[in-house]
Amino acid sequence: NAGVTQTPKFQVLKTGQSMTLQCAQDMNHEYMSWYRQDPGMGLRLIHYSVGAGITDQGEVPNGYNVSRSTTEDFPLRLLSAAPSQTSVYFCASSTTRSTDTQYFGPGTRLTVL
Amino acid sequence: RKEVEQDPGPFNVPEGATVAFNCTYSNSASQSFFWYRQDCRKEPKLLMSVYSSGNEDGRFTAQLNRASQYISLLIRDSKLSDSATYLCVVNDDYKLSFGAGTTVTVRA
Repeated sequence: NAGVTQTPKFQVLKTGQSMTLQCAQDMNHEYMSWYRQDPGMGLRLIHYSVGAGITDQGEVPNGYNVSRSTTEDFPLRLLSAAPSQTSVYFCASSTTRSTDTQYFGPGTRLTVL
Repeated sequence: RKEVEQDPGPFNVPEGATVAFNCTYSNSASQSFFWYRQDCRKEPKLLMSVYSSGNEDGRFTAQLNRASQYISLLIRDSKLSDSATYLCVVNDDYKLSFGAGTTVTVRA
């Protein structure tokens, strides 16, 4: 199993550009989520999904969209990038509930100029 | 007030030493607790869950104090490979809240 994969590993955007961060898992996990990690702060939940076709907002959803058309994939879209979105983004999945062991992808380091 | 607070450290300890650190949480109704480990510029990985009665996993011991709302992690006989950032994670009503992490550096 590849586990949780994320692409790209690194990305530089200009303010106002849009892009999609990809996340996929091959463990047949129902629960998937996106976090951002900033220096001196804990991981903060952006959006999550409890299954295909179901998504919900987390703690910091503004400026991001998600969709879950399949169990495997959970892309995160930045609509109009801002410097405040410079961060490391982690995708995670777990068997069912948010409290099960979270398996994280390797992260995407995003810089917005 | 942050939901989960940790001493950022760093804790610099020699090999073989014991190091311990705490994490406090604000929601008294929190249901479950975890320690994750994060190596530099890598993804977090589950180290261990924390049970009400306390639990051990090899050289690692986790304790929960619900009355004072903190959890602790103790590492015995530290190894160089224990150098990492340890994240405290608390389940609040099926949402996970992460602390900013405690950095431990084990020196030879």
